[in-house]
Amino acid sequence: QVQLVESGGGLVKPGGSLRLSCAASGFTFSDYYMSWIRQAPGKGLEWVSYISSSGSTIYYADSVKGRFTISRDNAKNSLYLQMNSLRAEDTAVYYCARAHSSGYYYHDYWGQGTLVTVSS
Amino acid sequence: EIVLTQSPGTLSLSPGERATLSCRASQSVSSSYLAWYQQKPGQAPRLLIYGASSRATGIPDRFSGSGSGTDFTLTISRLEPEDFAVYYCQQYGSSPPGVTFGQGTRLEIK
Repeated sequence: QVQLVESGGGLVKPGGSLRLSCAASGFTFSDYYMSWIRQAPGKGLEWVSYISSSGSTIYYADSVKGRFTISRDNAKNSLYLQMNSLRAEDTAVYYCARAHSSGYYYHDYWGQGTLVTVSS
Repeated sequence: EIVLTQSPGTLSLSPGERATLSCRASQSVSSSYLAWYQQKPGQAPRLLIYGASSRATGIPDRFSGSGSGTDFTLTISRLEPEDFAVYYCQQYGSSPPGVTFGQGTRLEIK
């Protein structure tokens, strides 16, 4: 069965960095786009970034552009999010999600999320 | 950037009643790129509807989606106790490229 397991969250000071990972299993990882989506405490969902199956196409939300970098290692079935220059407003649960991008666009599987807290 | 506005913010209904949730886009959205999700407290979102009207695998047929252009609707025909949750619409756009979510509708037990 499809599984997505995020890791790497934690407490970090403003201006600091953190790298999130998402381990995928149960499907051919290299066939799918992948996304990072976050949810601040008590708030709605906010898309952060997505990456194409090969890694050649990448897009970011304006709120993280220039600070966050998405990447993937298809040999390791893993997705990453390097987060630099973190701000208090980046505090959120970060989900990785599998994306269907052929003819439609939607996220059919999500991880359980990893909490990132940015605070001094 | 396309903005999705969901209404109402909160919907109070009883089990067995019909729920109608709205998602309005600031400009036309391709139906192929409109999806709906359900989220319960402490859980990740679950895909309900994709392509505006196609049910995801395992989703009961009391859930249906409709609409086109700028107006989309999620309907739950007869509410079950497990349906009380927060619902989000989501669209994918190509200009600029990216994904946006509506702010959510909370469906609560009356």
